[in-house]
Amino acid sequence: EAGVTQFPSHSVIEKGQTVTLRCDPISGHDNLYWYRRVMGKEIKFLLHFVKESKQDESGMPNNRFLAERTGGTYSTLKVQPAELEDSGVYFCASSQAYDLDRVNEKLFFGSGTQLSVL
Amino acid sequence: QKEVEQNSGPLSVPEGAIASLNCTYSDRGSQSFFWYRQYSGKSPELIMSIYSNGDKEDGRFTAQLNKASQYVSLLIRDSQPSDSATYLCAVNPTGYSTLTFGKGTMLLVSP
Repeated sequence: EAGVTQFPSHSVIEKGQTVTLRCDPISGHDNLYWYRRVMGKEIKFLLHFVKESKQDESGMPNNRFLAERTGGTYSTLKVQPAELEDSGVYFCASSQAYDLDRVNEKLFFGSGTQLSVL
Repeated sequence: QKEVEQNSGPLSVPEGAIASLNCTYSDRGSQSFFWYRQYSGKSPELIMSIYSNGDKEDGRFTAQLNKASQYVSLLIRDSQPSDSATYLCAVNPTGYSTLTFGKGTMLLVSP
């Protein structure tokens, strides 16, 4: 079974440019999450999709970030225009159930996209 | 603000020793707790989950939960150099459908 895959693994862009990150969740997982880790900080929640709907986008930093999940399969996260403080590792995760309190419900992570804004 | 606190380390232990990793959390109503292991440049990998007070053992790993003290720990027995990684504590806060992470503790196991 394929895991959560993210593309690209690394991206180096200049301030003001646009970058689009892609995530393919595990097949059959309705729940898709975006997280970000800025250097020296903890992994922080950005957004949660249930199928194609945004369940919770309280972690999105500002309106330069746009996440989509058309058709409820893969998701994209676009940063436009990118700023220096957007640098970090962007993780995608997926789960089968909505309720992470369910015993043995798991959140599976991708390897992340390392974004560097120069 | 829901917070999870961990000592960043590094925690250095010799091969064969017990490594003890600790975590405290601020949301008293949290019900589920997780330990992830992350090797450098890799994805976080779930190694233990715990939902009720007490100990939960899985192979060389034991998770301990004390909700009254808002404290979660992970013990790794017979530590191996391959256990060297960053260990992330994560909590599902009340009313949220996602996880709050600590900064992680780096564990170094020397041969």
